[in-house]
Amino acid sequence: SAVISQKPSRDICQRGTSLTIQCQVDSQVTMMFWYRQQPGQSLTLIATANQGSEATYESGFVIDKFPISRPNLTFSTLTVSNMSPEDSSIYLCSVAGPDYGYTFGSGTRLTVV
Amino acid sequence: DQQVKQNSPSLSVQEGRISILNCDYTNSMFDYFLWYKKYPAEGPTFLISISSIKDKNEDGRFTVFLNKSAKHLSLHIVPSQPGDSAVYFCAAYSGNTPLVFGKGTRLSVIA
Repeated sequence: SAVISQKPSRDICQRGTSLTIQCQVDSQVTMMFWYRQQPGQSLTLIATANQGSEATYESGFVIDKFPISRPNLTFSTLTVSNMSPEDSSIYLCSVAGPDYGYTFGSGTRLTVV
Repeated sequence: DQQVKQNSPSLSVQEGRISILNCDYTNSMFDYFLWYKKYPAEGPTFLISISSIKDKNEDGRFTVFLNKSAKHLSLHIVPSQPGDSAVYFCAAYSGNTPLVFGKGTRLSVIA
């Protein structure tokens, strides 16, 4: 399976600031996704990160709040902008491929104070 | 509309007994179903999956059953061990679509 390195693993941020989360994969992958898990909730898809073009956002998520970059087939970033306490969640990078199915990073635990 | 539902938020089972975790779905286009296990402060890890053309898949202590007519799947763990205590997520997808997750069931295996 693909090996994902996600950074940072956790952070405590002041409201109004932004945090960029990085996802590095050890092989080229076609499909890359960003998920959020709010406390006590399921994993919710934020967006599909498309290489070389704008990400595809799910209902309720917008580019201004969660800008995503995907400069190549092994790397993506998710930025949580102008944070508020409601953004406190676990953010997960996920990749999918025909040989290994879906694999997740270890997650970024974000606390906004 | 929640396409994948896990109606039991928690389950407690005695060590050595069987754990049965249930999952229902509404989208008949789903053709692949997965179970993930998640420990606190870690990402979900893949446990077992089943394709829609099968009705059972077994891997060691873990068996997943799929009832397509009822749009229901279940994960059986036998015998249950304390290390199995975690949150279990049911997920599904079709084609190249992203995974759709249930809300999870917290399993506690009591020694």
